[in-house]
Amino acid sequence: GQQVMQIPQYQHVQEGEDFTTYCNSSTTLSNIQWYKQRPGGHPVFLIQLVKSGEVKKQKRLTFQFGEAKKNSSLHITATQTTDVGTYFCAENTGTASKLTFGTGTRLQVTL
Amino acid sequence: DGGITQSPKYLFRKEGQNVTLSCEQNLNHDAMYWYRQDPGQGLRLIYYSQIVNDFQKGDIAEGYSVSREKKESFPLTVTSAQKNPTAFYLCASSIVSGTTEAFFGQGTRLTVV
Repeated sequence: GQQVMQIPQYQHVQEGEDFTTYCNSSTTLSNIQWYKQRPGGHPVFLIQLVKSGEVKKQKRLTFQFGEAKKNSSLHITATQTTDVGTYFCAENTGTASKLTFGTGTRLQVTL
Repeated sequence: DGGITQSPKYLFRKEGQNVTLSCEQNLNHDAMYWYRQDPGQGLRLIYYSQIVNDFQKGDIAEGYSVSREKKESFPLTVTSAQKNPTAFYLCASSIVSGTTEAFFGQGTRLTVV
């Protein structure tokens, strides 16, 4: 079945450093959503990308959808301790809007 | 206060017992979902429902059962047939068109001893 891989699996940065997580698929994605899950919490929707080459920004977060719609990235500029958590990409598929989640990237930020 | 409510937050059960996890939403969403999350891993779809009295198996439905008698409610039963039931269970809901972001409940952490 469809596999959506994310790299890296884990990253530890100092506050103020940048961070990027990549989401890769072996097949063309119809769209990509990004979620953030704080430690012990539940996933919270961040954004959805639909168009080839699409770029969206939310304050310090920049989301990109690849030209071939097989990959996506989330870049955080100047990380803060509030950015700690696991970031998941997910494809929304089918008429039932099922989500196929990536493996996630856990971000740890220290002072 | 709109949202999805899962209960209980923590649940302990003995091996061989069935257990039912509750999920209620007041967002008026047609679609509801159950996901399982194991430590350090992504979410895997167990069951989903687009409409009352109808539901479909997800990727890992074996050992689980669901019902959808009301739009607001989508309980999940973890049966004794589930080989490794200890996990974090997340319920979600969404509309089925447009930007179909999923809204998640707080989750139930099930431990089977």
